[in-house]
Amino acid sequence: DAGVTQSPTHLIKTRGQQVTLRCSPKSGHDTVSWYQQALGQGPQFIFQYYEEEERQRGNFPDRFSGHQFPNYSSELNVNALLLGDSALYLCASSPRTGSGDTQYFGPGTRLTVL
Amino acid sequence: DAKTTQPTSMDCAEGRAANLPCNHSTISGNEYVYWYRQIHSQGPQYIIHGLKNNETNEMASLIITEDRKSSTLILPHATLRDTAVYYCIVRAYNFNKFYFGSGTKLNVKP
Repeated sequence: DAGVTQSPTHLIKTRGQQVTLRCSPKSGHDTVSWYQQALGQGPQFIFQYYEEEERQRGNFPDRFSGHQFPNYSSELNVNALLLGDSALYLCASSPRTGSGDTQYFGPGTRLTVL
Repeated sequence: DAKTTQPTSMDCAEGRAANLPCNHSTISGNEYVYWYRQIHSQGPQYIIHGLKNNETNEMASLIITEDRKSSTLILPHATLRDTAVYYCIVRAYNFNKFYFGSGTKLNVKP
């Protein structure tokens, strides 16, 4: 049973460019959440997708957007990249089975903005 | 979501029990306590969670005080591979997202 997978592993972009990161949830999970982790800090919640819609959002600008596909996989898009967007981007999936939903994280995508 | 307070770092000798404390004095009745760990910039790994009863699984034990204002994660026999940052998180029942703090850096030493 494959866990949460993310691609690419590493990515280098320049300021002003746009980037798309991808995530496939754990088998049986239909909810995907995205987190940003700057160096030396804990992960920060970006947003969550369920039934192909954004359900919850953290304190991130509109430059950060996402999408969820019918097969529950998800994309995170970041426009007009800033140096401060350099971080580890984590995807987590969970089943919407009610209380105590546990999120399982992927290995992350390391984004470097030059 | 209630905020958590954890020590910045702790040391533990290999083979001994590691006891990681967490304070969550503002926790409310419908909030769960979760523990994750993160090894050197890998994705966070789920360890254990609980509501009010003590919990145990193959990785660890979670002890929650009766007033639920604090908890302790116990790794019964720490190994070098347990060296990681450990995050204590409080999550509301209907909010399927996690607020991570800075965590505790556990150093397991030979």
